[in-house]
Amino acid sequence: DVKVTQSSRYLVKRTGEKVFLECVQDMDHENMFWYRQDPGLGLRLIYFSYDVKMKEKGDIPEGYSVSREKKERFSLILESASTNQTSMYLCASSPGLGTDTQYFGPGTRLTVL
Amino acid sequence: AQSVTQLGSHVSVSEGALVLLRCNYSSSVPPYLFWYVQYPNQGLQLLLKYTTGATLVKGINGFEAEFKKSETSFHLTKPSAHMSDAAEYFCAVSSSGNTGKLIFGQGTTLQVKP
Repeated sequence: DVKVTQSSRYLVKRTGEKVFLECVQDMDHENMFWYRQDPGLGLRLIYFSYDVKMKEKGDIPEGYSVSREKKERFSLILESASTNQTSMYLCASSPGLGTDTQYFGPGTRLTVL
Repeated sequence: AQSVTQLGSHVSVSEGALVLLRCNYSSSVPPYLFWYVQYPNQGLQLLLKYTTGATLVKGINGFEAEFKKSETSFHLTKPSAHMSDAAEYFCAVSSSGNTGKLIFGQGTTLQVKP
């Protein structure tokens, strides 16, 4: 069965902290994605990766960076967390084509105080 | 550029009634279209998708959607709502190329009343 896991379901951090959100998939997928979900705005793409060590900016990359050192793991980094980064963060993976289904993790609800 | 518009952020139906969730897209290339569902406190899961071929697509849990190119629509329907269908539904279009990037609509919350 397809599995995407995220390191935390709930996270509370303080303004200015460096925050790491981890995502692991066990399906040998090429593509991995990070989204943030906010009420009324749907899902917005932050970054995606189509290969190990390869990354591309999505629609809202400001204030975020990513790392993909191994195929199965994709990390989202908030270099200096701010209150406007309080949100639900969803990770997804897909085999590699435009027609492919994306498989989502359960999400991390991040609160920045 | 591609975009998706979901008409109605909240839809309420009675149990047993028809479910209709509306989705319109904009795309300069033939689109791939998806419907995802998110149950409370869970990630998204695929309901159905249209890539090529038959324009009426059947998905899980009795849902179906019809791709209408002339209307640039991909509305989601289910003949008879169940209480368990209460969730948030997202329409998405795949961007051009093979990156697999999705553009999502803003979501529609479906409420099912007993």
